[in-house]
Amino acid sequence: GDSVTQMEGPVTLSEEAFLTINCTYTATGYPSLFWYVQYPGEGLQLLLKATKADDKGSNKGFEATYRKETTSFHLEKGSVQVSDSAVYFCALSDLGGYQKVTFGTGTKLQVIP
Amino acid sequence: GAVVSQHPSRVICKSGTSVKIECRSLDFQATTMFWYRQFPKQSLMLMATSNEGSKATYEQGVEKDKFLINHASLTLSTLTVTSAHPEDSSFYICSARGKGGRELYEQYFGPGTRLTVT
Repeated sequence: GDSVTQMEGPVTLSEEAFLTINCTYTATGYPSLFWYVQYPGEGLQLLLKATKADDKGSNKGFEATYRKETTSFHLEKGSVQVSDSAVYFCALSDLGGYQKVTFGTGTKLQVIP
Repeated sequence: GAVVSQHPSRVICKSGTSVKIECRSLDFQATTMFWYRQFPKQSLMLMATSNEGSKATYEQGVEKDKFLINHASLTLSTLTVTSAHPEDSSFYICSARGKGGRELYEQYFGPGTRLTVT
């Protein structure tokens, strides 16, 4: 079945540091890939997505590129802020995202001033 | 747009009682709603998928008689945890997909409900 593997946290960075959270996936078809963010005590928010190979999703300074050859969708941000502290989930879904979503285990990011 | 709400946000109940959680799409019609469960420091696990007007489809290992899902309208789905036990304590999150436009191609998540069974 489909699965998503992402790096374990927590990840602690100083403000303005560069962020990379690794994510790889296994899927039988051609899934859409997502990054969701969960702030403390809240539900999930879609951060960015990519629906086909070589697509780059971007939002709020975060980027991730759909790499079919390496089955990866790593999340990056050039300069993190304290307000980016949250749990980040990598996820995939067939058929554009309106079917079942398979989540990774989440990576907690803590940004310190 | 595309807001999903859940009620209550937190609930504490005694072991053996039942509790109902509501999931509403506020500004779009949700033909499909999904219910997830999240254990502490773990990922979300899909429990069931419900389409408006039909029975929910449960994932393997989820007891349908314990977790009753009703999707009676295009804007409301409910999850009832029957005869709750402490091991049912968890964070329950719903998501919804619409019938057209942008809402057709994305799932929109609610803020979650924290259930504690004492």
